[in-house]
Amino acid sequence: DAKTTQPNSMESNEEEPVHLPCNHSTISGTDYIHWYRQLPSQGPEYVIHGLTSNVNNRMASLAIAEDRKSSTLILHRATLRDAAVYYCILRDLGNDMRFGAGTRLTVKP
Amino acid sequence: DSGVTQTPKHLITATGQRVTLRCSPRSGDLSVYWYQQSLDQGLQFLIQYYNGEERAKGNILERFSAQQFPDLHSELNLSSLELGDSALYFCASSSSSGMGANEKLFFGSGTQLSVL
Repeated sequence: DAKTTQPNSMESNEEEPVHLPCNHSTISGTDYIHWYRQLPSQGPEYVIHGLTSNVNNRMASLAIAEDRKSSTLILHRATLRDAAVYYCILRDLGNDMRFGAGTRLTVKP
Repeated sequence: DSGVTQTPKHLITATGQRVTLRCSPRSGDLSVYWYQQSLDQGLQFLIQYYNGEERAKGNILERFSAQQFPDLHSELNLSSLELGDSALYFCASSSSSGMGANEKLFFGSGTQLSVL
């Protein structure tokens, strides 16, 4: 399975943009890049996913490097409610969803 | 609210005992996934069922088993419990067969198991 590397933790200020990086240098051409987050005392929650092109939804944006060896989850205006562990996951056809350690995001008021 | 229901929310039991965790997927979802989350291991994939059949297996111990019933709810059975089995157990569901690389998973709020 292709692996991802994320920083253990990051801090941001409330109402500022947050860029959460993920490296996946061994990504295959058919791996989708998924992002989930886990708020305290809750189950993981889908955030966004993409294959090659950048993606936007109401929660976040996903910027994928041209060579696909890295990606960045962008929260446009962080709120206190965005404090969570963010997981970057690669998933290929026929494979299950495996979570790594993720990045713990702290949002300061 | 993800639409995935897990019961019970908390379970306290003793070593050597057997427990059953229950999961009701979102309406219409055919796939159910089970995950274990402990402090030292993070989120570990255990097993996946699709429409009643086992589809994928992860790091599931032989003391653990699962099944998915005709009404699509799933149960995770944990037997001969050990202290190290104390963890949060999550269920997730999806509408697809589970083999698609772009499917979304919807997670329940988990069952906290404490083995004393």
